[in-house]
Amino acid sequence: QVQLVQSGPEVKKPGASVKVSCKASGYTFTSHGVSWVRQAPGQGLEWVGWISGSTGYTNAAQKLQGRVTLTANTSTRTAYMELRSLRSDDTAVYFCARGGQWLPYDAFDVWGQGTMVSVSS
Amino acid sequence: DIQMTQSPSSLSASVGDRVTITCRTSHTILTYLNWYQHKPGKAPMLLISAASSLQSGVPSRFSGSGYGTDFTLTISNLQPEDFATYYCQQSYSVPYTFGPGAKLEIK
Repeated sequence: QVQLVQSGPEVKKPGASVKVSCKASGYTFTSHGVSWVRQAPGQGLEWVGWISGSTGYTNAAQKLQGRVTLTANTSTRTAYMELRSLRSDDTAVYFCARGGQWLPYDAFDVWGQGTMVSVSS
Repeated sequence: DIQMTQSPSSLSASVGDRVTITCRTSHTILTYLNWYQHKPGKAPMLLISAASSLQSGVPSRFSGSGYGTDFTLTISNLQPEDFATYYCQQSYSVPYTFGPGAKLEIK
């Protein structure tokens, strides 16, 4: 079946980097994009960014630009989100979600299980 | 960025009730509005896309409507599994933005 499986929880110190993976199966990876969405404890959902599964084009939320890098490996059908210079307010569950091949106008119809990233000294 | 508001932010209802959640956007988004259900410890689930298109497998008691800046999600005949937080999300322009959520609790 169509699914996205994410890597496990991470605990990092402020200033470090984290890289979360999202492996797709059950659909044509290059026919869709992958968005990343995060949820800080007790907060709502926040869009982090998007990568095209076919071209590698990316678009990231302005507040994270310069710290976030989205990549995808089409041969392994895996998307990655790397976040650098981690701060305590980056503590959140990070979800990957399948979206459209292009932006905008899509919806997130399949989600990964979420990866908890904790940033603490 | 397009700002999103939802009302109410929380509501209590009983099994069998009908509830309506409203989502408003700061700019017109035509019908590029999606609704998600989110339960603690789980991934969000897409219920409705493009304002009114019910996703495959989602019960027909869920319905959505709206255009421009005002949208509604209606749940008829509430079932125990419907108690969750509901988010609207605009996909008209990037950065995509979500509403703050509406928590539906059992009365």
